[in-house]
Amino acid sequence: SAVISQKPSRDICQRGTSLTIQCQVDSQVTMMFWYRQQPGQSLTLIATANQGSEATYESGFVIDKFPISRPNLTFSTLTVSNMSPEDSSIYLCSVGEREKLFFGSGTQLSVL
Amino acid sequence: DQQVKQNSPSLSVQEGRISILNCDYTNSMFDYFLWYKKYPAEGPTFLISISSIKDKNEDGRFTVFLNKSAKHLSLHIVPSQPGDSAVYFCAARPNTGTASKLTFGTGTRLQVTL
Repeated sequence: SAVISQKPSRDICQRGTSLTIQCQVDSQVTMMFWYRQQPGQSLTLIATANQGSEATYESGFVIDKFPISRPNLTFSTLTVSNMSPEDSSIYLCSVGEREKLFFGSGTQLSVL
Repeated sequence: DQQVKQNSPSLSVQEGRISILNCDYTNSMFDYFLWYKKYPAEGPTFLISISSIKDKNEDGRFTVFLNKSAKHLSLHIVPSQPGDSAVYFCAARPNTGTASKLTFGTGTRLQVTL
């Protein structure tokens, strides 16, 4: 399975600021995915990061709030913009292999 | 609408005993089911899966059972070990979906006690 490195592992941010999360995969993958896990909730897909085209966002998530970059087949970033305390969550990068998803270690974000 | 439900937020089992984690789903289009395990400060790791054409899949100490008529699956861990203490997520996807279209449950926190 792919090895997925994600950073930062955690951060505490002030309201109104932005945080960019990086995800590096050790092999080339067509699609990378960004998930969010709010406290006590299930994992929710934010968007699919496609190389060479704009990300595809799920219902309830918009590009202005969660801009995504995918400059090549091994790297992606997710930015959480204009943060509020409601954005406090774990953000996870993942890649799909066959029918399974593999995840990075996640970014624990706390917004004050 | 929670299409994948894990109604037990937590479970405590003694070491050596069997752990049974349950998961219910409502979408009859789901045909592939997975269990993930998550330790604190780590991402979820794939544990075991089952296709809807089967009713049981076994991998070492882990067995997943699928009851399609009841839209219910369960994960059995036997014997349970302290290292199994983690949050377990059930996930499902439809037969036309890709890996990205997994729908996750809210998780069950398993505590294996000595």
